[in-house]
Amino acid sequence: EVQLVETGGGLIQPGESLRLSCVASGFTVSSNFMSWVRQAPGKGLEWVSVIYSGGTTKYADSVKGRFSISRDNSKNTLYLQMDSLRAEDTAVYYCARVRGSADVWGKGTTVTVSS
Amino acid sequence: EIVMTQSPATLSVSPGERATLSCRASQSVSNDLAWFQQKPGQTPRLLIYRASARATGVPARFSGSGSGTEFTLTISSLQSEDFAVYYCQQYNDWWTFGQGTKVEI
Repeated sequence: EVQLVETGGGLIQPGESLRLSCVASGFTVSSNFMSWVRQAPGKGLEWVSVIYSGGTTKYADSVKGRFSISRDNSKNTLYLQMDSLRAEDTAVYYCARVRGSADVWGKGTTVTVSS
Repeated sequence: EIVMTQSPATLSVSPGERATLSCRASQSVSNDLAWFQQKPGQTPRLLIYRASARATGVPARFSGSGSGTEFTLTISSLQSEDFAVYYCQQYNDWWTFGQGTKVEI
């Protein structure tokens, strides 16, 4: 079964760092484009970052310079390193497989940035 | 950045009725357009990709049309499980989502 499971969310203070993980099963992360999408409470969906199968990465302007997407092929896992977190980064973070659009999504992990 | 604008923000319909949701792009996205359904507390679900292709397992009552800048999602006969928020998304130039249309009773 094709599945994505995110972990690593939590309550964190502004300015601190957090790393999210997304373990894939049923397919190979490194052979696909993979993305992170977030959804602030009561709001719509916002694309955060993508990593292409060749390793190229892209970021939304709102997180550029603070977030870093990566993968560990041996663990078939996608990561999102989030530094200098701000209150406006509070959201549910989803990882998704990208085949054109996002055809497989995880259930998400919640990040709350608050003092 | 390509801006996606959905209308209406809320659509009130009765079960069995037809629902038509619109999505407009600020510039052409060709047919690189997807529709997602999201129910409260749930993950978004891909319904339509490439503007009109139904994703695996999506009922035939869901159909998508359009190209360029104007797109439509039609639900031919609303079922109780279809009441949700629907998002359009372009993937022609990175990704941007519309703000969503809530389909309610």
